[in-house]
Amino acid sequence: GAVVSQHPSWVICKSGTSVKIECRSLDFQATTMFWYRQFPKQSLMLMATSNEGSKATYEQGVEKDKFLINHASLTLSTLTVTSAHPEDSSFYICSARRTPGQPSGEQYFGPGTRLTVT
Amino acid sequence: GEDVEQSLFLSVREGDSSVINCTYTDSSSTYLYWYKQEPGAGLQLLTYIFSNMDMKQDQRLTVLLNKKDKHLSLRIADTQTGDSAIYFCAESAYNQGGKLIFGQGTELSVKP
Repeated sequence: GAVVSQHPSWVICKSGTSVKIECRSLDFQATTMFWYRQFPKQSLMLMATSNEGSKATYEQGVEKDKFLINHASLTLSTLTVTSAHPEDSSFYICSARRTPGQPSGEQYFGPGTRLTVT
Repeated sequence: GEDVEQSLFLSVREGDSSVINCTYTDSSSTYLYWYKQEPGAGLQLLTYIFSNMDMKQDQRLTVLLNKKDKHLSLRIADTQTGDSAIYFCAESAYNQGGKLIFGQGTELSVKP
């Protein structure tokens, strides 16, 4: 159990367009999902915490109008990169925590989405 | 603020033991985790340890926690070429709403 999927696995888009990435928990419910960004050979940078039915909480320095997050159900969160630019090119990874939460609080990660903006 | 640090590279021979080290600064950390990332993939949870534990063993993996020194290690026994990957340690704290703070990752290279 505890499988998280992401779609698409990779996407190439033109500068100025918007791209939506989906994150799904396949065999469990997740009240909380997290969105990370990872640059090559670097660690994961938390962008935002997504809570089902409420607004996402963004980390300092992350533009909420550029990275729109919607967590409409207990199994789906989406990240939309609006008006994408080449500097938005990155590996985006989501994670999910089970509901009800386990005390250990472990997060289960999706396989990631490689975004390239040309 | 919170900080988690790891050495960047480790190279071992197949069959040897690997020890990956991690230090953290947040004394309120409640759980510490080890994740594995293979190229182009997401993160796989390997194991975790609660902060009131000193050691946890799971098959070839042994986690040691020195809370006084804020030092965490992951030992992989009988390392195989399939263990080559990047290993991240991460911490969470009761007052962080479940957020994980990751180290930079240690790239483990296993040579045959």
